[in-house]
Amino acid sequence: SQQGEEDPQALSIQEGENATMNCSYKTSINNLQWYRQNSGRGLVHLILIRSNEREKHSGRLRVTLDTSKKSSSLLITASRAADTASYFCATPRADDYKLSFGAGTTVTVRA
Amino acid sequence: GAVVSQHPSWVICKSGTSVKIECRSLDFQATTMFWYRQFPKQSLMLMATSNEGSKATYEQGVEKDKFLINHASLTLSTLTVTSAHPEDSSFYICSARRSGVPYNEQFFGPGTRLTVL
Repeated sequence: SQQGEEDPQALSIQEGENATMNCSYKTSINNLQWYRQNSGRGLVHLILIRSNEREKHSGRLRVTLDTSKKSSSLLITASRAADTASYFCATPRADDYKLSFGAGTTVTVRA
Repeated sequence: GAVVSQHPSWVICKSGTSVKIECRSLDFQATTMFWYRQFPKQSLMLMATSNEGSKATYEQGVEKDKFLINHASLTLSTLTVTSAHPEDSSFYICSARRSGVPYNEQFFGPGTRLTVL
């Protein structure tokens, strides 16, 4: 079963703007990952943040993790048309550490 | 490095036929591979875990006799959808976990679009 819930479900922004999406989860985790999926394609791993980290950066991506609220956010700064994709958070399941994916946020960046 | 391929990328078949999808880790060995199914505009749902040299483990509600998994080598896992029906039409994605590294590091294939007529 899915553990993560993401919001918003969809996001439309202008090129150059920032995009923020959130992920909430239910059980304790030791890490959380974010993936990108272009339409009709596989997943690309973006970033992994560990439970003892509060913030992590990778290029134009910034991920935060608040274990007390069981939530994470992904910020894409200075968005580009190529950032148009669906973004998923994923957390390891408590019993077997296999990944459970959130519902995803579909981001559309308008040129 | 860490490239995972899937073949075919898309397939259309008639109802009642069987379809085999291959998942290969091209530049690393994978003792564990995962098969996911994704319906349009939905998230990935784990179907089964493929273990090299042993039986696959299936998620609750996934019929093991319908979705046959074989992990014959450290670089290849196959998913066979037997007696496919239109409701099996979906996007099937595999991922591979590199042997000897943390459990959570998975590399995903590009997916296979299955359409059953």
